[in-house]
Amino acid sequence: AQSVTQPDIHITVSEGASLELRCNYSYGATPYLFWYVQSPGQGLQLLLKYFSGDTLVQGIKGFEAEFKRSQSSFNLRKPSVHWSDAAEYFCAVGTRMDSSYKLIFGSGTRLLVRP
Amino acid sequence: EADIYQTPRYLVIGTGKKITLECSQTMGHDKMYWYQQDPGMELHLIHYSYGVNSTEKGDLSSESTVSRIRTEHFPLTLESARPSHTSQYLCASSESYGYTFGSGTRLTVV
Repeated sequence: AQSVTQPDIHITVSEGASLELRCNYSYGATPYLFWYVQSPGQGLQLLLKYFSGDTLVQGIKGFEAEFKRSQSSFNLRKPSVHWSDAAEYFCAVGTRMDSSYKLIFGSGTRLLVRP
Repeated sequence: EADIYQTPRYLVIGTGKKITLECSQTMGHDKMYWYQQDPGMELHLIHYSYGVNSTEKGDLSSESTVSRIRTEHFPLTLESARPSHTSQYLCASSESYGYTFGSGTRLTVV
């Protein structure tokens, strides 16, 4: 069955430090992979997505992610975290559904930023 | 700037009441979805639609129902709300390569 694992429930980093959020997926075919961010009381905003091609994907707000097929991973990185990055981050895999695809989400990682 | 709108943002309602959560999008997307986000923050697909007069149930069983009479509108209805329905409900629409989410409706049934 398809699934997404985000092993870190919470991560705390200092402002200006680098960040890596982990994501592992289980899916038999070539996956569509996504990272979303959710601020408190808000919906989900797409940070970046991978469909094919270059395995290093650039997104908004200075985020990037690298698809590693051998490790079934799609980790999110940012070289220097800002206080405004504090939020909940969700990794998702898009799985085939009829003529479209559906998103299966991980359980999320809450990012806290120390001043 | 949101192209998909959900109302109300917050709703507190008594047990047994009928409620409808509204979702509208201005992007002309055929595909629309409802996700339920539980207190543990996981999101689960409860309904989806591929176009007008198309509705399907998702992975998570839900007592809610949906309709799709117009492309831009995908409301979700609970005929008799119960405390177990307390959750956040997120609506989304998609083209081929990405979902756009609304801001969500946080429902509390007391």
